[in-house]
Amino acid sequence: AQSVAQPEDQVNVAEGNPLTVKCTYSVSGNPYLFWYVQYPNRGLQFLLKYITGDNLVKGSYGFEAEFNKSQTSFHLKKPSALVSDSALYFCAVTPGGSARQLTFGSGTQLTVLP
Amino acid sequence: DAGVIQSPRHEVTEMGQEVTLRCKPISGHNSLFWYRQTMMRGLELLIYFNNNVPIDDSGMPEDRFSAKMPNASFSTLKIQPSEPRDSAVYFCASSVQGAYEQYFGPGTRLTVT
Repeated sequence: AQSVAQPEDQVNVAEGNPLTVKCTYSVSGNPYLFWYVQYPNRGLQFLLKYITGDNLVKGSYGFEAEFNKSQTSFHLKKPSALVSDSALYFCAVTPGGSARQLTFGSGTQLTVLP
Repeated sequence: DAGVIQSPRHEVTEMGQEVTLRCKPISGHNSLFWYRQTMMRGLELLIYFNNNVPIDDSGMPEDRFSAKMPNASFSTLKIQPSEPRDSAVYFCASSVQGAYEQYFGPGTRLTVT
């Protein structure tokens, strides 16, 4: 069975500073990895995915994530944080193939301070 | 383009009543997922359908919960009878053939008193 760990419940960063939201995973075979963002009273919104290829993937709103197979990590990053980036962020994994289910982490609340 | 549509957005009901949540996936998507989100348990997959067929319902908490997908554009999640511990936000999501990313609806906030 696959699992995702988001070790930080809360991340605070000053506006304009770089941000990192951490994610590690466990899955049999090659992982398919995803990041989602959830704003208050809204559904989850897809940000980016890693399936194969370049370890650095770029997504919406200036976010990117780096796949590191040896460390089984898929950390979300942004060079310069905005106050509007404040939200709940979820990492998810699936083993792919015929499996369609995503396993989500517990979420990390990002607060960008003005 | 219309995203995933869920109704109602809010539902308040009394314990013992039947509750029906509705979902319309994105047109052309062939997989549909029902999730439940609570503070205590986070985001849980309840059931998912592929081409209208239930594939994995292992997340359905008990027999009080049932889900149907009579056609490619409509699904329901029913709770009968409802209990206070069913209070949560229920999300529906869909994905297209060959892709794994899912697109979520706005959710239904269910409160059972």
